Amino acid sequence: NAGVTQTPKFRVLKTGQSMTLLCAQDMNHEYMYWYRQDPGMGLRLIHYSVGEGTTAKGEVPDGYNVSRLKKQNFLLGLESAAPSQTSVYFCASRKNHGGNSYEQYFGPGTRLTVT
Amino acid sequence: GQQLNQSPQSMFIQEGEDVSMNCTSSSIFNTWLWYKQDPGEGPVLLIALYKAGELTSNGRLTAQFGITRKDSFLNISASIPSDVGIYFCAGQSGTASKLTFGTGTRLQVTL
Repeated sequence: NAGVTQTPKFRVLKTGQSMTLLCAQDMNHEYMYWYRQDPGMGLRLIHYSVGEGTTAKGEVPDGYNVSRLKKQNFLLGLESAAPSQTSVYFCASRKNHGGNSYEQYFGPGTRLTVT
Repeated sequence: GQQLNQSPQSMFIQEGEDVSMNCTSSSIFNTWLWYKQDPGEGPVLLIALYKAGELTSNGRLTAQFGITRKDSFLNISASIPSDVGIYFCAGQSGTASKLTFGTGTRLQVTL
């Protein structure tokens, strides 16, 4: 199992450009999450999904959109990038039920710089 | 949004020393998780705790779920250089789909 994978690993955008970050998991997990991590701020939840076709807002959703068309994929979109969105983005997934179902497993991250 | 308070924020220790860190909350949690993040990598799950008072070990790491359900502790015995990183706690309450994360403890180990 590859676990949780993220593409790309690095990206530099200019202000106003758009991009999509892809998260994929091969663990058949129901729940998927997008976080951003900034120095001194810990992990902050952007959006999450409790199943295919469903999404919900997290703590810092403004400026981002998400889609979960397939169970194994969770896409994070930036329609018009801003310097404030410079950050490291992490995807995570977990099971819906059963033992240890609250344990989230993280991808390796995408480092995004917006100039 | 709510974040858990972790302490210390950072610590410098010598190889071979034991390490203790904790995480506190004003709210009750049903699950406590401890993660480690190496530089440039994603967080990796170390230990999961599901019952108040539970004490669980993973090699040199031991974590405890506080009796009040508002805190958790992580101990690392006989630290080695590869223990360097940031340690995060995370809590889950009720049937919430989300975790609440701590602010992290940055550990540096000197030879």
